[in-house]
This record gives sequence, structure tokens and C-alpha cells, in this order.
Amino acid sequence: GAVVSQHPSWVICKSGTSVKIECRSLDFQATTMFWYRQFPKQSLMLMATSNEGSKATYEQGVEKDKFLINHASLTLSTLTVTSAHPEDSSFYICSALSTRRSYNEQFFGPGTRLTVL
Amino acid sequence: AQTVTQSQPEMSVQEAETVTLSCTYDTSESDYYLFWYKQPPSRQMILVIRQEAYKQQNATENRFSVNFQKAAKSFSLKISDSQLGDAAMYFCALVAIGDMRFGAGTRLTVKP
Repeated sequence: GAVVSQHPSWVICKSGTSVKIECRSLDFQATTMFWYRQFPKQSLMLMATSNEGSKATYEQGVEKDKFLINHASLTLSTLTVTSAHPEDSSFYICSALSTRRSYNEQFFGPGTRLTVL
Repeated sequence: AQTVTQSQPEMSVQEAETVTLSCTYDTSESDYYLFWYKQPPSRQMILVIRQEAYKQQNATENRFSVNFQKAAKSFSLKISDSQLGDAAMYFCALVAIGDMRFGAGTRLTVKP
């Protein structure tokens, strides 16, 4: 149980285009999902916290107009990178907090590798 | 603010030996959780072990155990009988007020 999927697993796009990444909790409901960014050989950096039915909370330094987050249901959150540029190339990981668990464990998706040409 | 520090960028261990990865953290919250995650080359984050701050007993999961020193804000991971499959990046993480903060990671190499 507690499986999180991400789609796509990798994507290549041209500079200036927008890319949408989906994060789904497959067998549990998640009122809260998180989006992380990971550069090569670095740690995960929290970008934003996504709560179902409300606006996402962005970390300092993360452009909310560039990284649009929508958490429309208890099993789906999406991250849209708008007007992508090469510096947005990175590995994006989502995680979901299960409403059934009491110890604040996050379940992680397999990640999405974004390459902007 | 919540911070997590891993001071060992790289560690190496001989197969079947024991290795300890260090982690210190800082939080002003009294209720929090600590985790160790493993990230293999696939980059899928895998939970290794977790510890609730209110529990004094150190968590253990098979070959993995922690040394949780609450007063010192230290949370080290011990891997016993190291196996080749243990080679990965290991991240220490803290959840205090909802979101999770990660340390910089330790790359573990296991030598056959």
C-alpha cells in the first residue's frame, strides 16, 4: 500500500513551452502533497506544499507564477512549469501525506526528469 | 526553523562490516519525527527507518538501527552486515511542523 505515481517519468521540451507533471496517490487519500526539486548530487529541496482544495504554499525563492500547483482532488496534484528555460532542468519529486498514518510519513513518487532544450 | 545536517558527504564500508552515518538536527518543536531515507541510482526515495521524538527507545529495522540522542539532537544510522545493495545516497530527514526537511545526504559505497 501507499503507492505514489508520477507522470511522465521523463520529459524533454523546448525553451518557452510549458510542462505539466502529475502526482497521484494510487491507494490512499492525501490531503497534503509536496513538491521537491533535486539537482544532480544534491539533496531534495522543498518547493511547495499542496493542500487539496486550497492554494499551495510556496517556499521562499520559488516563483509561484512559474511553478503552478493544482491539488484538485484527494489523489491528484499537478505541477506545471510555465515558460520553461534550461535552468529549470532538474529532477522533480512529489510526495504524499497519508490521512491514515499518524506519524507524518511521506510517500514518494519515482520522480520526473525534466530537460529543457 | 528546522535544519538537518549531515557532515559526511561520503562514506565507505567493507561488505559484511558495520557503518554509522551521522545526522544532527535543530528544531524548537517538542513533537517531531525523524527519518532515514535511501536513494539508490533509480532515485526512488525508500524509507529505511523512522523515529518518533517522544519515544526513548531507539528504532530498529533488521540490519538498520538508530542512535537517537534527543538532548544532543543527534540521529545516527547504523547499518550492520553491510551488503552491496546498501550502496546509495542516504538522507536524514526531520518533520516538525508538517513539512519535511532533508540533510545534504551521505553517499555510501560498499566494497566487496
